[in-house]
Amino acid sequence: QKEVEQNSGPLSVPEGAIASLNCTYSDRGSQSFFWYRQYSGKSPELIMFIYSNGDKEDGRFTAQLNKASQYVSLLIRDSQPSDSATYLCAVPPGSGNTPLVFGKGTRLSVIA
Amino acid sequence: DAGVTQSPTHLIKTRGQHVTLRCSPISGHKSVSWYQQVLGQGPQFIFQYYEKEERGRGNFPDRFSARQFPNYSSELNVNALLLGDSALYLCASSPGTLSYEQYFGPGTRLTVT
Repeated sequence: QKEVEQNSGPLSVPEGAIASLNCTYSDRGSQSFFWYRQYSGKSPELIMFIYSNGDKEDGRFTAQLNKASQYVSLLIRDSQPSDSATYLCAVPPGSGNTPLVFGKGTRLSVIA
Repeated sequence: DAGVTQSPTHLIKTRGQHVTLRCSPISGHKSVSWYQQVLGQGPQFIFQYYEKEERGRGNFPDRFSARQFPNYSSELNVNALLLGDSALYLCASSPGTLSYEQYFGPGTRLTVT
């Protein structure tokens, strides 16, 4: 069973702080990793993906990947109340016919 | 460019009934995937179609079926609805089966009473 694990939260951070969201996965064959943001009552929105070990930055967002530890994280710098949402980690399996396996998501609350 | 569209937005059905959900992918995308999301959980994969052929199926009963049309739009059908089928049904499109970048539509909220 391929699994993607996330802390469900809620994770509360003050406005302007760095929010750190973590995800672990079980399938060592996975090669790419995706972060989605989902506002309450809305559908998931792709915000970042990463393929290589190390960091990938896009504006206030940084994705970090450590394949040896099977760990991927998302950092949000200068957090804003508008960042309050559930963040879903998604991983394609190394084998099989499932496009993406999602974690349960971490609910982030940015306090003004 | 228009994103993924889904219809209807909301739907209320009674146990035992049948439902059909519809999806149109982003222009140029040939792959459509369906996911079920219940409250508090991440999306669960149901089906993937590419060029009108089923390319993947998740762990859902045979009451769930789908198809893709020549214009790449897709339908998800669920027969003999159960209370547990109440969920947000998401359609996602991607350029091809080798692309894991999935772009989601707004979803259809199904309530079974």
